[in-house]
Amino acid sequence: GENVEQHPSTLSVQEGDSAVIKCTYSDSASNYFPWYKQELGKRPQLIIDIRSNVGEKKDQRIAVTLNKTAKHFSLHITETQPEDSAVYFCAAQGGGSYIPTFGRGTSLIVHP
Amino acid sequence: NAGVTQTPKFQVLKTGQSMTLQCAQDMNHEYMSWYRQDPGMGLRLIHYSVGAGITDQGEVPNGYNVSRSTTEDFPLRLLSAAPSQTSVYFCASSQRQGAGIQPQHFGDGTRLSIL
Repeated sequence: GENVEQHPSTLSVQEGDSAVIKCTYSDSASNYFPWYKQELGKRPQLIIDIRSNVGEKKDQRIAVTLNKTAKHFSLHITETQPEDSAVYFCAAQGGGSYIPTFGRGTSLIVHP
Repeated sequence: NAGVTQTPKFQVLKTGQSMTLQCAQDMNHEYMSWYRQDPGMGLRLIHYSVGAGITDQGEVPNGYNVSRSTTEDFPLRLLSAAPSQTSVYFCASSQRQGAGIQPQHFGDGTRLSIL
């Protein structure tokens, strides 16, 4: 089955800095890669996703890049703000499986 | 538009008790799924459904049952609660897109403790 590894587990940045979270996956047939943000005690929220026919996708301060050859995808957050502090999860899905596989999460802390 | 609604928000059970976690969505989504979230483990899929009358197992189905009699509702039943089932449970829904369940909307979660 699919295996997703997410790094780092914790990321601490100063307000205004950029943050990058990376995920690697094992199944080359995976074709859908979403990212979720979960604030403390709240529900996960889908923030951005990318499909395997696209190399990069942007939405205001967040972007996701995909390298199919290397089997990794990354979340980029620019001009970080304290409200970006949360746990971010990546996931990979596809290859004939209905089931998405999640990374273990990255705790992002943005210091004012 | 309430989205995905889960009840209860908190529950404490004794070992061996049974209970049902309720989940309802009002977006007419075909796909619904249940996840458990444990510290450091991310989200793990318990069961999912691709439409009324159709359910299937996820990664960690043992000890849980589901049914999907309507598009809106997808309850999760704990048959005989065990301390290992202490967790936060999330229900999710999504529109049919591509070939996977790809959760788009989550409920607020149910925090379940088994003593």
